Amino acid sequence: EADIYQTPRYLVIGTGKKITLECSQTMGHDKMYWYQQDPGMELHLIHYSYGVNSTEKGDLSSESTVSRIRTEHFPLTLESARPSHTSQYLCASSIGDGYTFGSGTRLTVV
Amino acid sequence: RKEVEQDPGPFNVPEGATVAFNCTYSNSASQSFFWYRQDCRKEPKLLMSVYSSGNEDGRFTAQLNRASQYISLLIRDSKLSDSATYLCVVKDNDMRFGAGTRLTVKP
Repeated sequence: EADIYQTPRYLVIGTGKKITLECSQTMGHDKMYWYQQDPGMELHLIHYSYGVNSTEKGDLSSESTVSRIRTEHFPLTLESARPSHTSQYLCASSIGDGYTFGSGTRLTVV
Repeated sequence: RKEVEQDPGPFNVPEGATVAFNCTYSNSASQSFFWYRQDCRKEPKLLMSVYSSGNEDGRFTAQLNRASQYISLLIRDSKLSDSATYLCVVKDNDMRFGAGTRLTVKP
């Protein structure tokens, strides 16, 4: 039973399109994160938030942007998708120790 | 140098084997330590936390050596279902993930 939800699960989209990946959690966690992971490769932190109206860039440079208007919602937006954005995007939230991950969005840009 | 380094693997072992994974971390101020498991094309899930005194959960034993900044995971009597990537995770202000060690348990 997931407490953190990501939609869509899979997305195939054309180059140049604007897309928003949704992430919502029902646990009231203040901290939320976006990771990018290519198949068989490590997780890279691209954005994080410690609470409403707080967003920071992560270790990996990304052309995406995020917003945190509500505690439970942390969407990630790509203004103009490119094939290099093809990857899996994982959202996570935490309170104290430990992360809970969503099931991820597998994005393919053609 | 990466903040969290793991054995690159992959490890291919027969069922019933004992396998050990090692991990080192660079930030001596790190506060908490974990092992996560990630199945192919799935999200990481917490396997176990790692405590200074060492801890065991069934066939899994985790050890922490703060002086050497070293963490280990031992899996005894490995099962086919143990096949996955094991991520070493270290927390300072945020979680730092290792690249993962891939394990395949063969019949």
